[in-house]
Amino acid sequence: GAVVSQHPSWVICKSGTSVKIECRSLDFQATTMFWYRQFPKQSLMLMATSNEGSKATYEQGVEKDKFLINHASLTLSTLTVTSAHPEDSSFYICSARQGRVALNTEAFFGQGTRLTVV
Amino acid sequence: LAKTTQPISMDSYEGQEVNITCSHNNIATNDYITWYQQFPSQGPRFIIQGYKTKVTNEVASLFIPADRKSSTLSLPRVSLSDTAVYYCLVGVVLTGGGNKLTFGTGTQLKVEL
Repeated sequence: GAVVSQHPSWVICKSGTSVKIECRSLDFQATTMFWYRQFPKQSLMLMATSNEGSKATYEQGVEKDKFLINHASLTLSTLTVTSAHPEDSSFYICSARQGRVALNTEAFFGQGTRLTVV
Repeated sequence: LAKTTQPISMDSYEGQEVNITCSHNNIATNDYITWYQQFPSQGPRFIIQGYKTKVTNEVASLFIPADRKSSTLSLPRVSLSDTAVYYCLVGVVLTGGGNKLTFGTGTQLKVEL
């Protein structure tokens, strides 16, 4: 099946610094990618929808200036956590669909990135 | 938005069949029902997807009644490695077309010897 790769798998950063997480679709083009955040023992929470060549669409309550999303190509979306604080520590997961987003298209998920802010 | 409701947890033993039911009372006409499996510290993995009636693949079956207000994921003869969280998702149609997936609470399945 299609592969979505995230990098890094884990990262530890100091409070106040910024961290960039990459999400790549390895063998297909993804017009749309999605970013999720997951806290321990909780479900995935959709943060934003990343659209190639246009601005991301953020879910209610998610700070767009805090979580910068760039979808510069059909195979790469990046999430930058700016001025990270300990409460931003979480598991971040991206997903992508092949080509144009259709109602019954399977979504492929990356392996996730564990962010720890100290 | 089509909200889903699942049991928080289920326990089973190796070799047994496990059925996890999900309620989605306000599912929209165009929504598909998709189930994902997630192991700790990993991204979700697609299991099965359906629109109505029954769908079967090499790992599971999905039963959807005519009113589509619920669905049941059936895992035949589970093993210890099936211990995971299972999510039922219903696609949410965006205004401009396409859809996004919203995760519910999921069901923690624990399989024992």
